[in-house]
Amino acid sequence: GESVGLHLPTLSVQEGDNSIINCAYSNSASDYFIWYKQESGKGPQFIIDIRSNMDKRQGQRVTVLLNKTVKHLSLQIAATQPGDSAVYFCAENIRNFNKFYFGSGTKLNVKP
Amino acid sequence: DADVTQTPRNRITKTGKRIMLECSQTKGHDRMYWYRQDPGLGLQLIYYSFDVKDINKGEISDGYSVSRQAQAKFSLSLESAIPNQTALYFCATSDSRDTEDTQYFGPGTRLTVL
Repeated sequence: GESVGLHLPTLSVQEGDNSIINCAYSNSASDYFIWYKQESGKGPQFIIDIRSNMDKRQGQRVTVLLNKTVKHLSLQIAATQPGDSAVYFCAENIRNFNKFYFGSGTKLNVKP
Repeated sequence: DADVTQTPRNRITKTGKRIMLECSQTKGHDRMYWYRQDPGLGLQLIYYSFDVKDINKGEISDGYSVSRQAQAKFSLSLESAIPNQTALYFCATSDSRDTEDTQYFGPGTRLTVL
């Protein structure tokens, strides 16, 4: 089956710095991607999504970049705050199959 | 997410016991899902239901069963729990009218099988 993986299992950043979390996907037919944030003891929370016909999408303090050539997805968090500390994982979907595949996650630690 | 609730939040049980995890949603979504999450692994789909009369197996349905009692309720049962079913279980919902069918998750149930 498809694989959705992350390059770094743990990322530590200083408060105020920018964070970049990466995700690789293997299925070139995937056409929709989501980033989720999961805080300790809570369920995954939708952060931002992107369609395969886009290269970049911005939200509030977050930006998702999609590079279809190398099947790579990244989440950029600007001015990282302590409240951003969580596990972040990506999910990919092939619409015709209506099924999401989830990565294992990267833990983001924000140091004060 | 208060729109998707799960009960219980934590459960410890013994091998061989029957366990039911419940999920309710007030989002008005027609689609519901059950996932399990193990340390270091991505979410794995157990069962999903696109409406009250539709139930489908996911990647890891063995040892589990589900019931869609109403559009807003979807329960997961472990008929005879075993230790390797110790995991975090999440319910999710989505709306088929949503172009992207984005899934929204409940807070999770931590299940420990001794």
